[in-house]
Amino acid sequence: GESVGLHLPTLSVQEGDNSIINCAYSNSASDYFIWYKQESGKGPQFIIDIRSNMDKRQGQRVTVLLNKTVKHLSLQIAATQPGDSAVYFCAERSPGEKLTFGTGTRLTIIP
Amino acid sequence: DTGVSQDPRHKITKRGQNVTFRCDPISEHNRLYWYRQTLGQGPEFLTYFQNEAQLEKSRLLSDRFSAERPKGSFSTLEIQRTEQGDSAMYLCASSLDGTAYEKLFFGSGTQLSVL
Repeated sequence: GESVGLHLPTLSVQEGDNSIINCAYSNSASDYFIWYKQESGKGPQFIIDIRSNMDKRQGQRVTVLLNKTVKHLSLQIAATQPGDSAVYFCAERSPGEKLTFGTGTRLTIIP
Repeated sequence: DTGVSQDPRHKITKRGQNVTFRCDPISEHNRLYWYRQTLGQGPEFLTYFQNEAQLEKSRLLSDRFSAERPKGSFSTLEIQRTEQGDSAMYLCASSLDGTAYEKLFFGSGTQLSVL
């Protein structure tokens, strides 16, 4: 869904399950993408990044997929833990421009 | 702690007062950014410095806002004659320039409430 004001898209996942958070970006010239995690009262925390010449990148329990054809980015979190509960933002940057953040998704891990 | 540090964490002020926030970036980082975030939204770019030079300011940054980075290390963001619409989280981020794919590392922010 689309976020308007306080109405962030939300995703609830059972602890131990995998989660997928999606992000659509608008600028076809964007060549660099970052996923950030933001916990309540804290600043965004870098999770993983991907360049436009890649379509997949893996980190520890996280995988980012990039589909440039449809301008779509996803973050997969494996074996979710309570500490994964947060708001997740994708951010994009095109050459010479500043990092622009998308609408966040609130992930809630159900114990 | 070697991350980005911001002070204060919270600030409550009355409309019309001036406020100043401080940011200490990661020590070897030469770029410093200020972003603003309102509830339920992603951070929005305000301005950035490369060393002590302020290279870009967003249209969001009205003339009541001023930022400095006098010695290319810490930075201050001042808001004069605060308005209720200035209530937001003010985030500072730093990065190491020199790469086409610079990663921004954020501080915990200063939450401003204008009454």
